Amino acid sequence: NAGVMQNPRHLVRRRGQEARLRCSPMKGHSHVYWYRQLPEEGLKFMVYLQKENIIDESGMPKERFSAEFPKEGPSILRIQQVVRGDSAAYFCASSPSRGGRHLSNYGYTFGSGTRLTVV
Amino acid sequence: QKEVEQNSGPLSVPEGAIASLNCTYSDRGSQSFFWYRQYSGKSPELIMFIYSNGDKEDGRFTAQLNKASQYVSLLIRDSQPSDSATYLCAVTRAAGNKLTFGGGTRVLVKP
Repeated sequence: NAGVMQNPRHLVRRRGQEARLRCSPMKGHSHVYWYRQLPEEGLKFMVYLQKENIIDESGMPKERFSAEFPKEGPSILRIQQVVRGDSAAYFCASSPSRGGRHLSNYGYTFGSGTRLTVV
Repeated sequence: QKEVEQNSGPLSVPEGAIASLNCTYSDRGSQSFFWYRQYSGKSPELIMFIYSNGDKEDGRFTAQLNKASQYVSLLIRDSQPSDSATYLCAVTRAAGNKLTFGGGTRVLVKP
């Protein structure tokens, strides 16, 4: 049973380019969460998605960032026109369902992350 | 005020001693509480969760929750050098599902 798969592990982009980060949740998990971790900081929530739906995007920057989780395929976090401040580790997590004791029992399973470097 | 606060450390403990980590949170609606361990350059891994007031033990780890004081702690008994990592406290409302993380406490266990 593969865990949460993220790719690429490392991504280097020049300022102004686009970055696409992919996340495949654990088998049987239908909820995906994206978090960003700046150097020496904790994880900051970005967006929570179910298949074909954005449930909570309260942590997403207003511009340049978008996320999707299509019916088929992985979830994609897209950053347009990257800037140096976007350099961070981006983690994806998945869970089987929403709310209450289910979340308490499973917590989140995180992927290995994508380390984005903008040069 | 940050939603979830942790002392950034580093917390230095000798091998075999007890490491005590603290976390406070501001949202009284928080229902579930998690401790994650993160080694440098790696992803967070869940080590404990708790949602009822009191203590919960799992091996060398004990989580303690006091909702009235909005305080959750983690004790690591018989600390080992392999416990050297950053420990992240996270909280969630039952209905919201997103986890809110503290900044983490760096723990150094010295042989």
